[in-house]
Amino acid sequence: QKEVEQDPGPLSVPEGAIVSLNCTYSNSAFQYFMWYRQYSRKGPELLMYTYSSGNKEDGRFTAQVDKSSKYISLFIRDSQPSDSATYLCAMSGKDMRFGAGTRLTVKP
Amino acid sequence: GAVVSQHPSWVICKSGTSVKIECRSLDFQATTMFWYRQFPKQSLMLMATSNEGSKATYEQGVEKDKFLINHASLTLSTLTVTSAHPEDSSFYICSADRQGLYGYTFGSGTRLTVV
Repeated sequence: QKEVEQDPGPLSVPEGAIVSLNCTYSNSAFQYFMWYRQYSRKGPELLMYTYSSGNKEDGRFTAQVDKSSKYISLFIRDSQPSDSATYLCAMSGKDMRFGAGTRLTVKP
Repeated sequence: GAVVSQHPSWVICKSGTSVKIECRSLDFQATTMFWYRQFPKQSLMLMATSNEGSKATYEQGVEKDKFLINHASLTLSTLTVTSAHPEDSSFYICSADRQGLYGYTFGSGTRLTVV
C-alpha cells in the first residue's frame, strides 16, 4: 500500500463547476498537509497548507483535513480554465510524500 | 516570496555525455535542497536530499555515482547526470526547504532528453 493515494484522473469539468480533489494516506505521523498546483512542464507551486484537522479557505480554494479518516480534500469553487493543471497533494511528518497528482481540465 | 531558480529549463544531450543542472535559492538561504525526478503522468520521486557542506543522502535505488549532487553553498545545489543514457530522460525538479515556512519551494524543472 502506498503511503499516499491520489486518483490520477483525468478529471474534466465545465467552467464554473465545483471541483473536489482528494487524497488518502496511511501514515498517522503526517502532520502537515499541502496542495500543490503544477502546470505542464513547470515545477509545482504551493497552493494551500494546513496543519492538523480542519478547514482552511483562500479565495476560491478550500483545503480540508480529516486526520481521523486519514483523508484530505481540496475544493475549487467557480472553477476557471486557468485552473487546468495537475494538483498534487503532499504531506509531511519526518519526511515529505506526494500523491500521484490529479490532472484537471476546466472547459470554457 | 521565496524563489528557487533552476537552470537549464531544458537540455538535449548525446548518450554518454554528462549534464549539470543548477538550483539556486534567490532570496533565502537553503540548508537543505531536494532533487526529484518525474516521469510523464506520474508523481514526484525523491532522488536525494542535499545538505549544505555535507554529502547528499540518496534514496534507495538511486545511483549516487551516476547522479552527483553538490551543495557547496547555502544558495546553490547542483545535480550532474554522468554518462547519460536515454533512460535518464526525464523531468528533474529541485526544491528548497525554507526554514519557518511550511512546504517547499520548487524550481521550474529541467527537461532532460538524452539521444
